[in-house]
Amino acid sequence: DSGVTQTPKHLITATGQRVTLRCSPRSGDLSVYWYQQSLDQGLQFLIQYYNGEERAKGNILERFSAQQFPDLHSELNLSSLELGDSALYFCASSEPKGGARTEAFFGQGTRLTVV
Amino acid sequence: QKEVEQDPGPLSVPEGAIVSLNCTYSNSAFQYFMWYRQYSRKGPELLMYTYSSGNKEDGRFTAQVDKSSKYISLFIRDSQPSDSATYLCAIFSSGSARQLTFGSGTQLTVLP
Repeated sequence: DSGVTQTPKHLITATGQRVTLRCSPRSGDLSVYWYQQSLDQGLQFLIQYYNGEERAKGNILERFSAQQFPDLHSELNLSSLELGDSALYFCASSEPKGGARTEAFFGQGTRLTVV
Repeated sequence: QKEVEQDPGPLSVPEGAIVSLNCTYSNSAFQYFMWYRQYSRKGPELLMYTYSSGNKEDGRFTAQVDKSSKYISLFIRDSQPSDSATYLCAIFSSGSARQLTFGSGTQLTVLP
């Protein structure tokens, strides 16, 4: 168990809808990353938050947005969903407060299916 | 050029073989080096973490970092079918943009 919790594990929704994916980082970790992984593809970096602030942005579509809350959990919002958005979405956390370690720990992902 | 380049494979080896997985990187600010293993449709799990040049060993796994050549490797000794997975290198930049960058992953199959 990595200590990173993602909910829900599975999500099936229709095109045009909006969904919210949730990530609870490991206790004390300040940084949260979001990744998208389509079938048989590599990890595509979407966005990173550190202690509530956006730190880095990758190939995130304008229809997608994220935020990190004061309790450090994060949400990824996907709107106007298209069939091509069907993928595994992973959250990872790293950089514990007061610590020097930088390795990331991943959740088990949310499998999104858009029909 | 991508900041982190990784041989995509796929790589297929017989059981018991020594496996070598490699990545190169371009940013000198990269300071922390990791290897992850990802089984199909599962979250990547951390295998090795190091921040210095040289070798770090953990059981059948050895991570090697050569900062002068900007080259990192993961060696798997006595490979087992259970090692069949995708292996990803990851590097953390400690510069002004503190960020974790992943390689694209190498798919490994160990044949019994």
